[in-house]
Amino acid sequence: AQRVTQPEKLLSVFKGAPVELKCNYSYSGSPELFWYVQYSRQRLQLLLRHISRESIKGFTADLNKGETSFHLKKPFAQEEDSAMYYCALQGTGFQKLVFGTGTRLLVSP
Amino acid sequence: GAVVSQHPSRVICKSGTSVKIECRSLDFQATTMFWYRQFPKQSLMLMATSNEGSKATYEQGVEKDKFLINHASLTLSTLTVTSAHPEDSSFYICSASRGSNTEAFFGQGTRLTVV
Repeated sequence: AQRVTQPEKLLSVFKGAPVELKCNYSYSGSPELFWYVQYSRQRLQLLLRHISRESIKGFTADLNKGETSFHLKKPFAQEEDSAMYYCALQGTGFQKLVFGTGTRLLVSP
Repeated sequence: GAVVSQHPSRVICKSGTSVKIECRSLDFQATTMFWYRQFPKQSLMLMATSNEGSKATYEQGVEKDKFLINHASLTLSTLTVTSAHPEDSSFYICSASRGSNTEAFFGQGTRLTVV
């Protein structure tokens, strides 16, 4: 079974502080992992995917197959990073995405 | 990025009636569209996957006769909630992709309230 776990419902930090949003997954094969972001009153949009190995808006995420994790990190949080973040998994050969429950990031000035 | 538009963004209907939600890809051809349901403060739960010209594949526990999905063209998929009941009230979100292993783009969602 495919499962994505985001243990934190809310993460509150001050501007300039480092941020790490946790994501763990359960899947027997080689999954593709994603982070999606939803800003206030906006639609869900892709932030980054592990295969691209990009840094988007200062965020990075490394797939750790040993720990089955795909944590999202940013060294210095900005107020505009405040949003809902969802980790998602796509199984090999599957089209569908399985989402975690999401973590709300609140960055205070 | 590609644009996916849902209509309506908000709808209120009476118990027992049916309501149709449209999902359109505005500037690309969507081979595959997905329909999700999101309860307050919960994650997106996939309801079904539809490929253009084929019958939709429903997730376990989703009643296909209640949630009718049609994907008749490469730019339009519809979700019809038949004989709606208050428990069907939810936020419905669609996403569309050009094909396998391509990015899925999300609509803005439709808030359905059944009274």
